[in-house]
Amino acid sequence: EAGVVQSPRYKIIEKKQPVAFWCNPISGHNTLYWYLQNLGQGPELLIRYENEEAVDDSQLPKDRFSAERLKGVDSTLKIQPAELGDSAVYLCASSLGLAPYNEQFFGPGTRLTVL
Amino acid sequence: QQQVKQSPQSLIVQKGGISIINCAYENTAFDYFPWYQQFPGKGPALLIAIRPDVSEKKEGRFTISFNKSAKQFSLHIMDSQPGDSATYFCAATFYSSASKIIFGSGTRLSIRP
Repeated sequence: EAGVVQSPRYKIIEKKQPVAFWCNPISGHNTLYWYLQNLGQGPELLIRYENEEAVDDSQLPKDRFSAERLKGVDSTLKIQPAELGDSAVYLCASSLGLAPYNEQFFGPGTRLTVL
Repeated sequence: QQQVKQSPQSLIVQKGGISIINCAYENTAFDYFPWYQQFPGKGPALLIAIRPDVSEKKEGRFTISFNKSAKQFSLHIMDSQPGDSATYFCAATFYSSASKIIFGSGTRLSIRP
């Protein structure tokens, strides 16, 4: 069974440019997460989707970040405009659901470098 | 109150030795404590997890020790192997709805042959 797929794996852009990341979760997984992982740190949740509904976006910097999960399957995370401090790995994860505890499966991430 | 503090930041262990990573949490409402293993270029993967109603959980060479009163837990890797070289994250969340996992800052483990 295929795991969580993310693309691109690497992205280098100049500051103030827009960038988008794509995630395809494991088939049948209703819950999708986007995490930010800074170098040498643990992942931090940006947004969580239950099917197509964003149910927790409290940590998403809404002035420049946006996300969507049309049709409740794959998802796109966008940054516009990108800043130097956005350089990090953006991880996508998915799980069957929330309760009782369902393991989150992580994709390999997209490494973003903003110059 | 949501933090999970992890130490050490990096650890070097000889092959066959015991690797020990420690974590402490603040929020007593957390009731599920997973450990994740992350290799370079990969996402974190669940390694082992424990609930606070037990003091120890063992899976193969990996053991979690849990001290509820001290709000601390640790990962022990017995007979450490070079293939165990990775970054390890402790975490805390809520078993009933793992809506938000709070990760520690990670420990980079290197096993010397």
